[in-house]
Amino acid sequence: AQSVTQLDSHVSVSEGTPVLLRCNYSSSYSPSLFWYVQHPNKGLQLLLKYTSAATLVKGINGFEAEFKKSETSFHLTKPSAHMSDAAEYFCVVSRNTGNQFYFGTGTSLTVIP
Amino acid sequence: ETGVTQSPTHLIKTRGQQVTLRCSSQSGHNTVSWYQQALGQGPQFIFQYYREEENGRGNFPPRFSGLQFPNYSSELNVNALELDDSALYLCASSLATGENTEAFFGQGTRLTVV
Repeated sequence: AQSVTQLDSHVSVSEGTPVLLRCNYSSSYSPSLFWYVQHPNKGLQLLLKYTSAATLVKGINGFEAEFKKSETSFHLTKPSAHMSDAAEYFCVVSRNTGNQFYFGTGTSLTVIP
Repeated sequence: ETGVTQSPTHLIKTRGQQVTLRCSSQSGHNTVSWYQQALGQGPQFIFQYYREEENGRGNFPPRFSGLQFPNYSSELNVNALELDDSALYLCASSLATGENTEAFFGQGTRLTVV
């Protein structure tokens, strides 16, 4: 079985400071892991994905995530938050290679001016 | 814009009724997945269609059913609507199955059951 746990339901950061959104996963085999972002009244957008290649994955808009098998973690980071980063972020594990996703409960990111 | 379109954008139904939601996948994509996103929750996988056949199903009762057409567009049907079916329904399309494909999501259909 596959699942993800997002450890924080809400995160607030000041503009220009680092962002850390935490995610732990559980999978019976080598997982595919993703981070998606959902802005209000907009569709889900892929930030980045890990599919057993390099453990440090770079995504769009300056985000990156590191796959740590020993810690079963896939935390999302960004060196400097921007106001436009305020949104809901979802950590996602894929059931197989067919894009059948299991989503976490989401982390709401607030960026304070 | 992802090229995945869903209709209608909003819908209000009465408990016990039936509803059909539609999804037009991105050009060339032959795989469509449906998700239910309740308020304040992450999306939950309902089922996936690949080349007109169901290719996986989440933990949803049989009153949730679907179809995929030869042009790869898809429908989600829900019978005997319950109040808890109120949610945002998302459709995602991708090209075949494989770890290097990306799924693109539509903006969803907001269903309210009263």
